[in-house]
Amino acid sequence: NAGVTQTPKFQVLKTGQSMTLQCAQDMNHEYMSWYRQDPGMGLRLIHYSVGAGITDQGEVPNGYNVSRSTTEDFPLRLLSAAPSQTSVYFCASSSTGVGSARAFFGQGTRLTVV
Amino acid sequence: GIQVEQSPPDLILQEGANSTLRCNFSDSVNNLQWFHQNPWGQLINLFYIPSGTKQNGRLSATTVATERYSLLYISSSQTTDSGVYFCAVPPTSGSRLTFGEGTQLTVNP
Repeated sequence: NAGVTQTPKFQVLKTGQSMTLQCAQDMNHEYMSWYRQDPGMGLRLIHYSVGAGITDQGEVPNGYNVSRSTTEDFPLRLLSAAPSQTSVYFCASSSTGVGSARAFFGQGTRLTVV
Repeated sequence: GIQVEQSPPDLILQEGANSTLRCNFSDSVNNLQWFHQNPWGQLINLFYIPSGTKQNGRLSATTVATERYSLLYISSSQTTDSGVYFCAVPPTSGSRLTFGEGTQLTVNP
């Protein structure tokens, strides 16, 4: 059972480039979310989804897009990378909302924007 | 929004020692979760503990929701326990986890 899988693990982008961070889970979880982790700022929610076809913004959504076409996948798109998006990105899933279910995290993607 | 405070911020132990980590939160919550971020950066869910006490091997956690705090106990610590321990709570009407700043634990051999 793989749990939550993120790819790639590491990525370097140039300012202005776009890319997609992939997240897949095999636990049939309805709720998926993306966080970024920055020193001194903790983990902050970017976007989340409560099921296929339904997404919503979190705390820091600017510069990121998401879509949820299947239960399993929840990709995060950086539209035009900026140095301020240098961070470690985590995808998480839970069977229902985090208010009532345990959250499981992927192994993270370390992104550097130069 | 809800505030989550963890203490101590840093803790250094010798292998075999016991420790207690604390998490205070400012508002009523439906649950509380403890995570361990290992030195490779992976976040592992240790406990989902809305109230009461749970045990998993050398680790146990207690949440007293009415007094808005939770404790994580680590007994007979090992070097593999090193890393950052986070507590996280969801606000009752929210959809995200609010994380504390974490406790950086170093266990020396």
